Amino acid sequence: GENVEQHPSTLSVQEGDSAVIKCTYSDSASNYFPWYKQELGKRPQLIIDIRSNVGEKKDQRIAVTLNKTAKHFSLHITETQPEDSAVYFCAASKDSGGYQKVTFGTGTKLQVIP
Amino acid sequence: DTAVSQTPKYLVTQMGNDKSIKCEQNLGHDTMYWYKQDSKKFLKIMFSYNNKELIINETVPNRFSPKSPDKAHLNLHINSLELGDSAVYFCASSQGSTGLREQYFGPGTRLTVT
Repeated sequence: GENVEQHPSTLSVQEGDSAVIKCTYSDSASNYFPWYKQELGKRPQLIIDIRSNVGEKKDQRIAVTLNKTAKHFSLHITETQPEDSAVYFCAASKDSGGYQKVTFGTGTKLQVIP
Repeated sequence: DTAVSQTPKYLVTQMGNDKSIKCEQNLGHDTMYWYKQDSKKFLKIMFSYNNKELIINETVPNRFSPKSPDKAHLNLHINSLELGDSAVYFCASSQGSTGLREQYFGPGTRLTVT
């Protein structure tokens, strides 16, 4: 089955600095890569996603890059703010036997220090 | 305007008891999921239903039994609760079992087994 590794497990940055979270996946058939943000005590929520026919996608301060050959993808947050503090999950997904199966990474706890 | 709701939000019970968690979505989605998030924040899929039909059944003890009375509801019944069942359980939904879509999560149910 799919295996998604995520690094680092914790990340502290000063407000205004950039944060980068990296993930690797094992199944070359995976073709959809969402990123979820989970604030303390809240539900995971999608913040950005990328499909395998795209190498990079940007939404304001958030960008995601995908390298299909190397089977890795990354989340970049620029000009970090205290409200960016949360746990971030990467995920890899593919159609499997007629249904979508999503495998999540182990999460990165991001702390933005004011 | 609740999209995915779960009840109860908190559940404290003793070992050996049987309990149920209910989930409802009003998004018109046809696929629903149950995830378990342990104390280390790992998100692991347990089950997925598409139009009331079970399509994903991960390696979960058979003490856990999902039930989907209709495509807007997915309940989780747990028999003979054990200490290791303590976790946050998230329900989620998406439109279409294929097509690589965002999953919408419920607020979670924190289960504590004593």
